[in-house]
Amino acid sequence: GQQLNQSPQSMFIQEGEDVSMNCTSSSIFNTWLWYKQDPGEGPVLLIALYKAGELTSNGRLTAQFGITRKDSFLNISASIPSDVGIYFCAGQQNNNDMRFGAGTRLTVKP
Amino acid sequence: KAGVTQTPRYLIKTRGQQVTLSCSPISGHRSVSWYQQTPGQGLQFLFEYFSETQRNKGNFPGRFSGRQFSNSRSEMNVSTLELGDSALYLCASSLGKVPQYFGPGTRLTVL
Repeated sequence: GQQLNQSPQSMFIQEGEDVSMNCTSSSIFNTWLWYKQDPGEGPVLLIALYKAGELTSNGRLTAQFGITRKDSFLNISASIPSDVGIYFCAGQQNNNDMRFGAGTRLTVKP
Repeated sequence: KAGVTQTPRYLIKTRGQQVTLSCSPISGHRSVSWYQQTPGQGLQFLFEYFSETQRNKGNFPGRFSGRQFSNSRSEMNVSTLELGDSALYLCASSLGKVPQYFGPGTRLTVL
């Protein structure tokens, strides 16, 4: 099935900088999810969004569910070394079918 | 609280064989979903079970099947293995529809 368009593919930033990544799709989703995956581990759910326009924060992370229901973004403020990892977006439709982005690989230089 | 456990962690099989992977969800979680992760295709949804019933299925051939037991433990089976089935297979458990907690995965290599 069609996967989501996630960008950027990778980011190299300095500790303390803010980060922004996004996902777009040609399909409408009812739920948008953001996960982080560390090497050798399964993904960890960071934020779940359930309503168009919804803006939700989890500590230094903020994510928004786009008004068109076809996109979402994730911001990380004041990055720290432990933010390193791969961030995935996922969209879920009414029938629980899920699509994933290809991931954004984040590197934080101390 | 114990997390999601998957067994085995690593598996090597040859083409044509079949394989069964196991997933034990977090206690009390009745939803278990399965995913395939490869460098080329990324994360792809396989299927989801809730209370022993398959609630949804992704776009994979019939060689991929699964089941869930009354204790919520789930197994997935892949028959007639192909080289392209080499991947990390992840399962996730949750209370609701959103996969919350993933296991560490089973890395399957098909030779």
